[in-house]
Amino acid sequence: GQQLNQSPQSMFIQEGEDVSMNCTSSSIFNTWLWYKQDPGEGPVLLIALYKAGELTSNGRLTAQFGITRKDSFLNISASIPSDVGIYFCAGQLTYKLSFGAGTTVTVRA
Amino acid sequence: DTGVSQNPRHKITKRGQNVTFRCDPISEHNRLYWYRQTLGQGPEFLTYFQNEAQLEKSRLLSDRFSAERPKGSFSTLEIQRTEQGDSAMYLCASSPLRGARETQYFGPGTRLLVL
Repeated sequence: GQQLNQSPQSMFIQEGEDVSMNCTSSSIFNTWLWYKQDPGEGPVLLIALYKAGELTSNGRLTAQFGITRKDSFLNISASIPSDVGIYFCAGQLTYKLSFGAGTTVTVRA
Repeated sequence: DTGVSQNPRHKITKRGQNVTFRCDPISEHNRLYWYRQTLGQGPEFLTYFQNEAQLEKSRLLSDRFSAERPKGSFSTLEIQRTEQGDSAMYLCASSPLRGARETQYFGPGTRLLVL
């Protein structure tokens, strides 16, 4: 089963808004990864974090590896319509990934 | 396109039939993973290979499932005597083994529907 708690489960965004989501675990990880998945497709890597406390940006995306190694957050600034989709966090201790259940981002009409 | 590729993209089968999926990893990636994803959930680990050696199998992988990577390149996942509960998206990922920093890249998946 899923080891990671990802929140919020879903959110509505308006174009131009900043968006934040996070992931917590009862276990420590050595790597945190954030993926985005569109319907019917595989997850696409957004950001990889390899060190506790690390803050990494990729364009409008910023993610941090929590200092306790048990959590991570992802921020999206100035959201655009193509940001809709499902965002997954994943933690890795040795080789396999453990995923959260995802945050579904939808555009507010 | 040099990403991970999977075939077929979709498969519909009748309960009791056998199905086989193929994954071609990114060239020179020596680690290859299989995950299963059901609706509304994140992917769950099934098994992984380092080169041609299968190093771990999840307890999710029943006796009806078998995976191979015969030459350390492409991999196949076979499900025998399919059941309706096998309906899911089957994802393949590959990664290069470079020290402590491993990043897994996913293919587009094979969506299986068992009727």
